Amino acid sequence: EAGVAQSPRYKIIEKRQSVAFWCNPISGHATLYWYQQILGQGPKLLIQFQNNGVVDDSQLPKDRFSAERLKGVDSTLKIQPAKLEDSAVYLCASSLVALNTEAFFGQGTRLTVV
Amino acid sequence: GENVEQHPSTLSVQEGDSAVIKCTYSDSASNYFPWYKQELGKRPQLIIDIRSNVGEKKDQRIAVTLNKTAKHFSLHITETQPEDSAVYFCAASGGSGYSTLTFGKGTMLLVSP
Repeated sequence: EAGVAQSPRYKIIEKRQSVAFWCNPISGHATLYWYQQILGQGPKLLIQFQNNGVVDDSQLPKDRFSAERLKGVDSTLKIQPAKLEDSAVYLCASSLVALNTEAFFGQGTRLTVV
Repeated sequence: GENVEQHPSTLSVQEGDSAVIKCTYSDSASNYFPWYKQELGKRPQLIIDIRSNVGEKKDQRIAVTLNKTAKHFSLHITETQPEDSAVYFCAASGGSGYSTLTFGKGTMLLVSP
C-alpha cells in the first residue's frame, strides 16, 4: 500500500514570505493530521481533520497558519507570513479512523525560515 | 487537553543491555498509547501500542506496560542492538471518536557496540 505522500521535502524561505505544503494521505484514511516538529522535540499537533471537517485546531496559530482538506482527501497547510520560529519539520499523518488506530506519517517537509 | 511527559531525554546503553523509557499522561480518559521510533531524518514509525484494557504487551524484544491508576506507561527494549539507536516517542489519545494523538518530547537512545 502506498504511504502518506508529502511535498516538497525541503523549503527555504525568507521571513514574511508565504509557503504551502501538500499532503496526500493513504487511500481510505478518514483522519488527517498536520504536526509541527521543532528540532529536538516531539511532534505537536497543529490541526486534525475527519474527512473534510476540522475536529481540532486548538494549537494552530490562526493568524498565520491555515489548512484545508478539500473533498476529504488531499490537504494543504499554508503559512503566511512566515516567522523565524516556524522553522521546523511539518509532518502529515493519516489514520483509518481517529479512535485507537495507528497514525501513519509522511516523510515531512523541512522548512527553514531565514 | 492531554499532556504527556517523557523521561529520560537521552539514554545511552551498551549493546545487549536493556533500555526503559517512561511516560506519564494527564487525561484519565486516554485509552490508546502508541510508541513511535524515529531514525535520523526519517518519519516516525509505530513500533508497538497498547490499549487501556491491557496491562502489558510484548513483541519480540519490545514490551510496553501500562498502569492506568498511576497514569504512566513504559517501553522496555531487551538485548539492545546498535540498530535500536533512534529517538523514541510515546503518545496518548483519549476515548472520544476524534481524539487527538499527543506526543511526548522524545528519548534519544544510543546503543554502543
